[in-house]
Amino acid sequence: AQSVTQLDSQVPVFEEAPVELRCNYSSSVSVYLFWYVQYPNQGLQLLLKYLSGSTLVKGINGFEAEFNKSQTSFHLRKPSVHISDTAEYFCAVSMDSGTYKYIFGTGTRLKVLA
Amino acid sequence: SQTIHQWPATLVQPVGSPLSLECTVEGTSNPNLYWYRQAAGRGLQLLFYSVGIGQISSEVPQNLSASRPQDRQFILSSKKLLLSDSGFYLCAWRPQGFGTEAFFGQGTRLTVV
Repeated sequence: AQSVTQLDSQVPVFEEAPVELRCNYSSSVSVYLFWYVQYPNQGLQLLLKYLSGSTLVKGINGFEAEFNKSQTSFHLRKPSVHISDTAEYFCAVSMDSGTYKYIFGTGTRLKVLA
Repeated sequence: SQTIHQWPATLVQPVGSPLSLECTVEGTSNPNLYWYRQAAGRGLQLLFYSVGIGQISSEVPQNLSASRPQDRQFILSSKKLLLSDSGFYLCAWRPQGFGTEAFFGQGTRLTVV
């Protein structure tokens, strides 16, 4: 069965500093990978996704992520964060065949400090 | 365009009472539908998903059940709520096909007292 691990439950970072949020997955078949953001008491919205092709994926709000098949990772990065990036970030994986399950990690709470 | 509606936004229910949360999708047909529960520190736990009317897959044995009586309607139910059922419940839909993104409702904050 597939699973998703987000290694950091909370990440504090100062405004305008770079940030990396880590995501590792486990699956016996090929997967598609996603990052979502959740603001307090709201649903989730998509930041970016990797389906195939270039391993560096660019998303909204200046975020990007790199797919590394050998390390089974899909880490999210932003070169310079803003206060408004304070939110919870979720990594998700779906299989590319056989099932329509859609699995999320436990989330990383990003807190941007002034 | 497609929209997803989830209600109510907040709910306070006594232990032992029944539960019914409803989710409807507009502007698409034959969506894949999902119910998740979000508890503090536990991320998004997949509870149920459905690929068609009457087709429900349960991911975690629990006190809840789901039904899909119509193509774009997904209902989460319980006959008797437990304290541990408290949490933030999110409904989501995805277009058919692998690799599609999910679109989420605004969630229901359930507090069992």
